[in-house]
Amino acid sequence: KQEVTQIPAALSVPEGENLVLNCSFTDSAIYNLQWFRQDPGKGLTSLLLIQSSQREQTSGRLNASLDKSSGRSTLYIAASQPGDSATYLCAAGWDTGANSKLTFGKGITLSVRP
Amino acid sequence: DAGVIQSPRHEVTEMGQEVTLRCKPISGHNSLFWYRQTMMRGLELLIYFNNNVPIDDSGMPEDRFSAKMPNASFSTLKIQPSEPRDSAVYFCASSFVTTNTEAFFGQGTRLTVV
Repeated sequence: KQEVTQIPAALSVPEGENLVLNCSFTDSAIYNLQWFRQDPGKGLTSLLLIQSSQREQTSGRLNASLDKSSGRSTLYIAASQPGDSATYLCAAGWDTGANSKLTFGKGITLSVRP
Repeated sequence: DAGVIQSPRHEVTEMGQEVTLRCKPISGHNSLFWYRQTMMRGLELLIYFNNNVPIDDSGMPEDRFSAKMPNASFSTLKIQPSEPRDSAVYFCASSFVTTNTEAFFGQGTRLTVV
């Protein structure tokens, strides 16, 4: 069964710290992996998409990497800010592009303390 | 583009009533997904469409759930009859399937069945 796991479920860090959020998946034949941010009571905002042929993607203070052989992806947040507080979800797609559906982890709730 | 638009944002209904959730995908996108989010189970894919055709409805929990996509700009998810255990946040997402199948989510409909 294709599953996505995110551990820990919650994380609290002081402002300014560089941090890494982990995501693991069970099947290395992944098509793509997407990281999302969800604020309380809100929808999901796409942060980064990594295709299976890529190893990483960057956007501002965010960097996401993908290691298919080990079944892992990490989201690196540099110089964290209180505004980064949210739940971060990773989602893996195993089907081909024509039938691409995402399987989600349960998310990591991040709290950045001022 | 205004993004994926869902309506209503909140719905409170009595057990046994019919509920219809609506979604307008991003213009030009050819895939549409319905997800359900609960604290216990996280985000679960219910059904997805490609070019208005249902591709995989294996996530639809029961026959009480049905989804339609009569054209490229509109989809509905119907629950009849509704039950308290259907209470959740329902998300619609869309993507344009090419080599870069990034999914974009709506703000969700929070359904409460009493």
